[in-house]
Amino acid sequence: GAGVSQSPSNKVTEKGKDVELRCDPISGHTALYWYRQSLGQGLEFLIYFQGNSAPDKSGLPSDRFSAERTGGSVSTLTIQRTQQEDSAVYLCASSRGILQETQYFGPGTRLLVL
Amino acid sequence: QQQVKQSPQSLIVQKGGIPIINCAYENTAFDYFPWYQQFPGKGPALLIAIRPDVSEKKEGRFTISFNKSAKQFSLHIMDSQPGDSATYFCAASKTSGTYKYIFGTGTRLKVLA
Repeated sequence: GAGVSQSPSNKVTEKGKDVELRCDPISGHTALYWYRQSLGQGLEFLIYFQGNSAPDKSGLPSDRFSAERTGGSVSTLTIQRTQQEDSAVYLCASSRGILQETQYFGPGTRLLVL
Repeated sequence: QQQVKQSPQSLIVQKGGIPIINCAYENTAFDYFPWYQQFPGKGPALLIAIRPDVSEKKEGRFTISFNKSAKQFSLHIMDSQPGDSATYFCAASKTSGTYKYIFGTGTRLKVLA
């Protein structure tokens, strides 16, 4: 079906506010990843979901960041009390699951914290 | 041990030239090495990928060369075109556990017409 979709495409917020970013993975993909891409930098792993297993949260930079995945499909990344250093492009990717290595990326959400 | 080092940061070639982008890794447990292409304002898209059991893989104008003993791999773009102008990222992952990608810092390629 369609590719990975993310919303919103752009988000401007004030320092200290909470934001929610949404990811719709490719239908049937059981694995979902969140990455962060800061200006001029590579992509930094944040969190991984695989089926009903406990997520790998090892990449989350602070406890202000959290993510959930409801019904094994849509995922929401929440950043509480945003800081200016959180400004980045947040990318979501999905793959078919275990042993299916290829990750398909969405277009990203560009977050700007003023 | 988790790093993937990518060079150069930027590259300018003439149309028809063969840009080469290099990556090096440390963790010998990595066993999947994809290259992604990213255009401005878009998400990365898979270009080509290789496993360490082969030393070279070609798909169209794109070739990955892999040197397992040196823990290095590189992307070659044959007969480069202005439409290839983009940022290229190498990555490495383990096909067990999380499968998270460790990305290089990217190479911004510009192909002159």
